[in-house]
Amino acid sequence: EIVLTQSPGTLSLSPGERATLSCRASQSVSSSYLAWYQQKPGQAPRLLIYGASSRATGIPDRFSGSGSGTDFTLTISRLEPEDFAVYYCQQYGSSPLPWTFGQGTKVEIK
Amino acid sequence: EVQLVQSGAEVKKPGESLKISCKGSGYSFTSYWIGWVRQMPGKGLEWMGIIYPGDSDTRYSPSFQGQVTISADKSISTAYLQWSSLKASDTAMYYCVSPRSDTAMAFDYWGQGTLVTVSS
Repeated sequence: EIVLTQSPGTLSLSPGERATLSCRASQSVSSSYLAWYQQKPGQAPRLLIYGASSRATGIPDRFSGSGSGTDFTLTISRLEPEDFAVYYCQQYGSSPLPWTFGQGTKVEIK
Repeated sequence: EVQLVQSGAEVKKPGESLKISCKGSGYSFTSYWIGWVRQMPGKGLEWMGIIYPGDSDTRYSPSFQGQVTISADKSISTAYLQWSSLKASDTAMYYCVSPRSDTAMAFDYWGQGTLVTVSS
């Protein structure tokens, strides 16, 4: 079973600043199968990035993903007020646990 | 437009049974996996299991195997998540999800969530 560890737990930043979120896997993950989601309070999560670096439909280009192997990064180039939320990474692999999530990083207003 | 519409919030007592639903529309229901994700209050996301309605192939996370049952009714494009005996620890928001191969099996589509509260 692959374990995903996200850091930091909470990121306190101001609008306009750059956010860098990390997701580290306990063993190598195929880049094709690493995704990032955004969740705002009271809402279902929304897919942001799939395949480590491809933006989902309708996602602004201030969101970018990178990485390979065991280290992946989500970058928000300039934080907008609507970007303050919790972000989860996720990997898809083989059984017995094909889909696993990281524990989340909260991006809060400083 | 692809939509996953879930049944409404439930309040149950420990030991009671429950079946919640997720109706898919805007796509071929039998051609795509549909699964469930749990989010306990104030916590993160946990994948529970998934079913392929075309042939009812079902997979469970080891953490949820034997604790819940996932099923689907092709005739009404609806997937289900079922408990035979609820516990207080089953209190959570439950989301149905549907991955797509063209987004590398990420969960493109999410239901709005069903809040299950189990309390005596």
